[in-house]
Amino acid sequence: LAKTTQPISMDSYEGQEVNITCSHNNIATNDYITWYQQFPSQGPRFIIQGYKTKVTNEVASLFIPADRKSSTLSLPRVSLSDTAVYYCLVGDSGNTPLVFGKGTRLSVIA
Amino acid sequence: DGGITQSPKYLFRKEGQNVTLSCEQNLNHDAMYWYRQDPGQGLRLIYYSQIVNDFQKGDIAEGYSVSREKKESFPLTVTSAQKNPTAFYLCASGSYGYTFGSGTRLTVV
Repeated sequence: LAKTTQPISMDSYEGQEVNITCSHNNIATNDYITWYQQFPSQGPRFIIQGYKTKVTNEVASLFIPADRKSSTLSLPRVSLSDTAVYYCLVGDSGNTPLVFGKGTRLSVIA
Repeated sequence: DGGITQSPKYLFRKEGQNVTLSCEQNLNHDAMYWYRQDPGQGLRLIYYSQIVNDFQKGDIAEGYSVSREKKESFPLTVTSAQKNPTAFYLCASGSYGYTFGSGTRLTVV
């Protein structure tokens, strides 16, 4: 499985755009990139998934360069409720379970 | 509504006791997973099952057991052989994107 590296923590003020970058130098051809959000004492929640270029949904955007060795999760205009841990994972269709690292702890400050 | 249900939300175990955590899904997913999370840590894989009547050990399977007799159900038993079972346990199902349950917090008393 491709290993991912992401910052341990980040701070942001409300209303700012937050970009969390994840490195995955050994990503395989069949691997997708998936981001999850986890609040304390809750299960992780799927945010967004992509394979290449850019993916956007109602809560976030995911930017993936051509070499796919990194990806950036972009959260527009964060609020206090976006304070959570964000996990970046890479993996294929499910033949091998996803491996979760420690994630990035995002703290949004008023 | 489709989803994945874990019960109980809180569980207390006495020393030497086996306890079983329930996980049920109505998403028609073939694959199901059990993860353990310790404070401030990421999730670690205990067991997973990709099809009924088949399951595989994850990274920290020692002291745990599972069964997969039905597609919808994947219970986890924490045995007395697990020396440090106090943790937050999460069940998930899916392939490209996992759906997680709300977790069971197990405490040894």
